[in-house]
Amino acid sequence: DAGVIQSPRHEVTEMGQEVTLRCKPISGHNSLFWYRQTMMRGLELLIYFNNNVPIDDSGMPEDRFSAKMPNASFSTLKIQPSEPRDSAVYFCASSSSSGREETQYFGPGTRLLVL
Amino acid sequence: SQQGEEDPQALSIQEGENATMNCSYKTSINNLQWYRQNSGRGLVHLILIRSNEREKHSGRLRVTLDTSKKSSSLLITASRAADTASYFCATGSYGQNFVFGPGTRLSVLP
Repeated sequence: DAGVIQSPRHEVTEMGQEVTLRCKPISGHNSLFWYRQTMMRGLELLIYFNNNVPIDDSGMPEDRFSAKMPNASFSTLKIQPSEPRDSAVYFCASSSSSGREETQYFGPGTRLLVL
Repeated sequence: SQQGEEDPQALSIQEGENATMNCSYKTSINNLQWYRQNSGRGLVHLILIRSNEREKHSGRLRVTLDTSKKSSSLLITASRAADTASYFCATGSYGQNFVFGPGTRLSVLP
């Protein structure tokens, strides 16, 4: 299995631009999570999908952030407009369990820098 | 939501020594998990221990769970330079997101 795939691996953009991060979960997994990691705040859960449906988006920082999961094999996290404080590493993780408390498998992350 | 808090924040040991890191949490859980993150990489799941278990082994890893003290420990025996990483605990409860603690940064010196 290829594991969780994220793209791009690195993204440098200017403030105000739209950023789209992509994730392909492990085949057969029905739960998907987006996390953000910074030195100051550590790992934060942004949103959790189960069977392609957003279950918990309480971690999404503000309206500039949106996430979609149009099918079981693809999810996007969009930031529009981006700001320097959005600079972080964004991880996607998937799980074979419907329970969000079970083992999660992480992708390699997208390192985002907003200038 | 649950939160694991790792201790110590940083640990430096010589290759071949054992490394022990601890995790404390606040409320009841279904399971507790340990993850490793190498620099610049994603998190890798190491081991899951359920609330009705007290000890679990996986290779050079030994995890204990004391639900009465709301704490867990991760022991890495005979450490190697490749074990250098950050280690996170995460507590899981049904219907709740698990929240990662700040992690323990382990450095294994050759």
